[in-house]
Amino acid sequence: DAKTTQPNSMESNEEEPVHLPCNHSTISGTDYIHWYRQLPSQGPEYVIHGLTSNVNNRMASLAIAEDRKSSTLILHRATLRDAAVYYCILRRFWVTGTASKLTFGTGTRLQVTL
Amino acid sequence: EADIYQTPRYLVIGTGKKITLECSQTMGHDKMYWYQQDPGMELHLIHYSYGVNSTEKGDLSSESTVSRIRTEHFPLTLESARPSHTSQYLCASSEYMGARGQETQYFGPGTRLLVL
Repeated sequence: DAKTTQPNSMESNEEEPVHLPCNHSTISGTDYIHWYRQLPSQGPEYVIHGLTSNVNNRMASLAIAEDRKSSTLILHRATLRDAAVYYCILRRFWVTGTASKLTFGTGTRLQVTL
Repeated sequence: EADIYQTPRYLVIGTGKKITLECSQTMGHDKMYWYQQDPGMELHLIHYSYGVNSTEKGDLSSESTVSRIRTEHFPLTLESARPSHTSQYLCASSEYMGARGQETQYFGPGTRLLVL
């Protein structure tokens, strides 16, 4: 699977937007970009995913570069509850009979302060 | 809201004991997974299952074993616990998201294991 690169940590003030970058320069045409986050003492939770177009949901927005070599997860108004480790993961087009394995890297630890 | 449960949440046990970590989900998902995560470190896949009677080893070698006799349950067993098994164990299950088979994985709260 192609590799992703994320900053180890970022800080944000509460109520401000946060842009979490992810580089994936070796992404292939069949790789989807997934984001998960892991709150303290919890299992990871799905945030958003996309292929080529920008995506929005109730949790966040995903902006994907035109060449797909990078993407940015956008939290529009960070709250203290958004403090977590955010993982950017590439997943191939699902192949029949295979499991949907996620390869987690070290992610970005987001700190949100008052 | 995902319904996936793990018990126990915390377990402290002596070396040599046999332990079973329980994982169950009520969503009818066919695919289930076990990950291992040390504090502050990456998650590593150790086992997965496509469905009943199907189990495969993951990317990280583990001395644990799993079984999948029922869709809802995916227990993990350590026949003889050792201090090196001390870690957090996370269970997950997944559902299809429609086009091209992209899936969401839902994780349980994890079991923190300490082997003395």
